[in-house]
Amino acid sequence: DQQVKQNSPSLSVQEGRISILNCDYTNSMFDYFLWYKKYPAEGPTFLISISSIKDKNEDGRFTVFLNKSAKHLSLHIVPSQPGDSAVYFCAASIIETSGSRLTFGEGTQLTVNP
Amino acid sequence: DTGVSQNPRHKITKRGQNVTFRCDPISEHNRLYWYRQTLGQGPEFLTYFQNEAQLEKSRLLSDRFSAERPKGSFSTLEIQRTEQGDSAMYLCASSSQEGFDEQYFGPGTRLTVT
Repeated sequence: DQQVKQNSPSLSVQEGRISILNCDYTNSMFDYFLWYKKYPAEGPTFLISISSIKDKNEDGRFTVFLNKSAKHLSLHIVPSQPGDSAVYFCAASIIETSGSRLTFGEGTQLTVNP
Repeated sequence: DTGVSQNPRHKITKRGQNVTFRCDPISEHNRLYWYRQTLGQGPEFLTYFQNEAQLEKSRLLSDRFSAERPKGSFSTLEIQRTEQGDSAMYLCASSSQEGFDEQYFGPGTRLTVT
């Protein structure tokens, strides 16, 4: 039962353009959502998060949007840079239980071309 | 403190052997998590400690797996009688207990069972 899904295994964009990574979830109990970035041979690195009481959170070039009714979130990167090329994981959590264990999607490989 | 560290980074073992991995969390973090990641998938939760207490174990954690966190500091994950299906990246993460804090991941231990 894949509770968090990232349906696009890969995404390629030109430097300077917008990158949009999508994520869908099925468990309506999830109330906290995170995006992690992963380079080869490294562990995931926290990027940005959003609580279910918000619909948008922005941090520099990164913005996360949450649509609770559609159980969908997205990560926007503007402008995209070649250094952003990595695998991006969406993750979800239920804050009150289970020590906030994270449930991850499968990941999307982002490639930003110079 | 430079972050979460894991040792060894790589481990190759023969089927049937026992292996042990170590994780040193960020020093002020009292929560510690183990995840497993296989190729093309996101990390999957295995188990979680709050201080020295192991509070939850995933169904993925068979009887051959055991984790400890003596004195609430570093943690070890042991796999007994390894099988080829145990080949994966084993990730450790830590977080504080203050509200909700994102999890910080180590670089992982890549296990190959031949």
